[in-house]
Amino acid sequence: DAKTTQPTSMDCAEGRAANLPCNHSTISGNEYVYWYRQIHSQGPQYIIHGLKNNETNEMASLIITEDRKSSTLILPHATLRDTAVYYCIVRVDQGAQKLVFGQGTRLTINP
Amino acid sequence: DGGITQSPKYLFRKEGQNVTLSCEQNLNHDAMYWYRQDPGQGLRLIYYSQIVNDFQKGDIAEGYSVSREKKESFPLTVTSAQKNPTAFYLCASSIETGYGYTFGSGTRLTVV
Repeated sequence: DAKTTQPTSMDCAEGRAANLPCNHSTISGNEYVYWYRQIHSQGPQYIIHGLKNNETNEMASLIITEDRKSSTLILPHATLRDTAVYYCIVRVDQGAQKLVFGQGTRLTINP
Repeated sequence: DGGITQSPKYLFRKEGQNVTLSCEQNLNHDAMYWYRQDPGQGLRLIYYSQIVNDFQKGDIAEGYSVSREKKESFPLTVTSAQKNPTAFYLCASSIETGYGYTFGSGTRLTVV
């Protein structure tokens, strides 16, 4: 699986959009981009995933660049409950492929 | 509701004792996984199983053992050979293809 690079930490004001970047320059054509988040002392929670098109669900939007070498997770109206560690992972969506977690980005939403 | 149940939430053991962490899922998922997380760190894979009666070592399998006798259950034993067992342990499951993993709420193991 391709390696990802994320900033160690970010801050965002409550009510504003939080934009979390992820670089995955070695991603291959059949690898998806997945985002999970982990609120303190809980199990990670799936947020969204995509292959090459932009995706949106009730939690977030995922913007993938045309060359697929980077992506951005957008939380449109961040709340205090969005404070968590956010993990960007790339993997082939085939078989029981294991997820490899990096260090993630610690996002702090400030009142 | 379907989900993954890990028990207990907190576990204390004396050094040198084996301890088994429970993980049960009713999602009908084929694959199950165990991860370890140390403070301020990401998750590291211990073992995973794609099907009943089969499992593979992850990145940090030394000092751990697992079994997969039933599709719903994937218990993890932390043996006395694990040199630094105090950690947060997370179990997950997934269908073969799909939206990713479902995680349990974790077991925090403290060895004194």
